[in-house]
Amino acid sequence: GEDVEQSLFLSVREGDSSVINCTYTDSSSTYLYWYKQEPGAGLQLLTYIFSNMDMKQDQRLTVLLNKKDKHLSLRIADTQTGDSAIYFCAEIPYGSGNTGKLIFGQGTTLQVKP
Amino acid sequence: GAVVSQHPSWVICKSGTSVKIECRSLDFQATTMFWYRQFPKQSLMLMATSNEGSKATYEQGVEKDKFLINHASLTLSTLTVTSAHPEDSSFYICSAPPTGDYGYTFGSGTRLTVV
Repeated sequence: GEDVEQSLFLSVREGDSSVINCTYTDSSSTYLYWYKQEPGAGLQLLTYIFSNMDMKQDQRLTVLLNKKDKHLSLRIADTQTGDSAIYFCAEIPYGSGNTGKLIFGQGTTLQVKP
Repeated sequence: GAVVSQHPSWVICKSGTSVKIECRSLDFQATTMFWYRQFPKQSLMLMATSNEGSKATYEQGVEKDKFLINHASLTLSTLTVTSAHPEDSSFYICSAPPTGDYGYTFGSGTRLTVV
């Protein structure tokens, strides 16, 4: 079945760049998302990328998609303490449409040290 | 963008009681809402899909009688945890389907603790 894997923890210093990685198994995924979850809160959509794109940039966020390796990454430039949170990548498998069947990774806890 | 309001944010209840969690779409109509469960330090698992005007669709392994889902209107979906037990303690999050470029919109979540 579909599976999404992430590293569990990343620690960076304020001002550095953060790169959070994600691998997935379903090569026919249509959309891939990055969500941010702060403690005790719901999920905030950060950005998404269509499967026919290689890169997407949105202010401090850069998403890279390597379809051959089924690898997705999120780069946060000039990381701030407010970026400390759990980051989830998620995919919509082909055919799932709007069924809600997002497949989530385990989440990467980003710790930003002052 | 689309906003989903979820209440309560946290609730503590005694074993055997029932708890209702509400999820409202504030600035749009949602004929469908999704309910997820998240265990500590784990990812989200889709529990069920509520459908306005019809029965909810449950994922495999989810007890329909324990987790009652109702989609009362185009802006309100509820999840009722019946006869709650400590193992039902978890973080429950609702979401609405994508609207425009906003992707799936999630509520703020409800932390349920059953004592």
